Amino acid sequence: QVQLVESGGGVVQPGRSLRLSCAASGFTFDNYAMHWVRQAPGKGLEWVAGISNDGSKKYYADSVKGRLTISRDNSKNTVYLQMSSLGAEDTAVYFCAKDARTVADYFDYWGQGTLVTVSS
Amino acid sequence: DIQMTQSPSSLSASVGDRVTITCRASQTIVSYLNWYQQKPGKAPKLLIYAASNLQRGVPSRFSGSGSGTDFTLTISSLQPEDFATYYCQQTYSSLTFGGGTKVQIK
Repeated sequence: QVQLVESGGGVVQPGRSLRLSCAASGFTFDNYAMHWVRQAPGKGLEWVAGISNDGSKKYYADSVKGRLTISRDNSKNTVYLQMSSLGAEDTAVYFCAKDARTVADYFDYWGQGTLVTVSS
Repeated sequence: DIQMTQSPSSLSASVGDRVTITCRASQTIVSYLNWYQQKPGKAPKLLIYAASNLQRGVPSRFSGSGSGTDFTLTISSLQPEDFATYYCQQTYSSLTFGGGTKVQIK
């Protein structure tokens, strides 16, 4: 069955960088777009980035443009989120989600999330 | 950017009640509207896609309707496992989630 397993979260100091990974299995990875969605403590969902199935198209929320970079390695069935210049506003659980199509549509599977805490 | 406004932000209901949640877009999104359910400490789960299509495995008491700017999610007979937070999402232009509706036990 479809599995998405995020890793790479933890406590990081303000201004530092962090890379999240999401390992996928149970489906043909290079047929589908992938996304990252975050949720600050006690808050709602915020889509932050998406990438098309072949990696040629990348999409970002305005709130993270220039600081977060999404990428994928189809040979490793893994999608990444490189985060830089982190601030307190980036503290959240970060979910990886599989799209139902090759580009942005709807998210039919989600990982369990990885917590990023930005604190000195 | 397209803004998504859900109402109410929370509601209290009893088992067996019919529950309706509304989502309004700041401009037309045609039918590019999806609904998710999230329980505390868990990942969201897709319920409805493209405004009215029931995701495989989701109980038929869930239904979605609407087009353009106004959409609804209806739970025809609320069950104990339905107490959760519900989010709408538009994928017409970029992607945006609504603020969520928390369904609580009355």
